[in-house]
Amino acid sequence: DTGVSQNPRHKITKRGQNVTFRCDPISEHNRLYWYRQTLGQGPEFLTYFQNEAQLEKSRLLSDRFSAERPKGSFSTLEIQRTEQGDSAMYLCASSLGHNSNQPQHFGDGTRLSIL
Amino acid sequence: SQELEQSPQSLIVQEGKNLTINCTSSKTLYGLYWYKQKYGEGLIFLMMLQKGGEEKSHEKITAKLDEKKQQSSLHITASQPSHAGIYLCGADESAGGTSYGKLTFGQGTILTVHP
Repeated sequence: DTGVSQNPRHKITKRGQNVTFRCDPISEHNRLYWYRQTLGQGPEFLTYFQNEAQLEKSRLLSDRFSAERPKGSFSTLEIQRTEQGDSAMYLCASSLGHNSNQPQHFGDGTRLSIL
Repeated sequence: SQELEQSPQSLIVQEGKNLTINCTSSKTLYGLYWYKQKYGEGLIFLMMLQKGGEEKSHEKITAKLDEKKQQSSLHITASQPSHAGIYLCGADESAGGTSYGKLTFGQGTILTVHP
C-alpha cells in the first residue's frame, strides 16, 4: 500500500495557461475524490468518481475545470485558462467502496500558484 | 448543505497539557471524520464516528460523537510537540444511511504545542 500519490507537488504558472494534475489512488480503491483547499480553510469538494464514472461535480467546478478517470485507476484534473483565484492546494483522496464505513485517504496535494 | 463549525480556531498549549477541540454541525451527522494535517501536506485519517454516543481512542487521542449526533469532540491527553498541526473534522453527507461519499469540512483548528 503506497498511499495516494499526486503529481506534481507544486505548479507555478502564468495566468491564462492550462495546467493538469495527476492523482494515483490506492490500488483497488474504486472511489476517487478531488478537493480544493485555500489557506486557513478546510478542503472543499470538487468532484468524485466511482470507477471511471464521474458521479458528481460541485458548483465550484466551473467550465474551465475538467476531471477524468479513463480506466478507473488514475485521475487527471485540468484547469484551462487559469485565473488568480485558482491558486490553491488541490487534494485527491480515494476510498474503498461507497458506504460511510470507508474513510477517505488523502494524497499530499498539488499546490498551484498563479502568477 | 451541511456546515461544520470548529472551535477554537487555534490553540497553544504547553507540552503535557490536555486539550479539546470541538466540531458542531448544522445538521445531524451520519458520519464524522477527524483528520490531521501538517502545513503544506495532505490529510492524515485519525478516526471515524458513526453512532450517537460513540467514542474511539487511538494512543492519546479520543474522539466522541454526542447522542444527538450534532457535535463531536477530539481530546488529546498529555500533548506532545508531535501532536502539533491542523485538526479538521469532516462530515459525510448522507441520507437514510446511504453515503454520498463526499465530505464537508470544518475550517480547521491550528494546534501548537510548546516543549
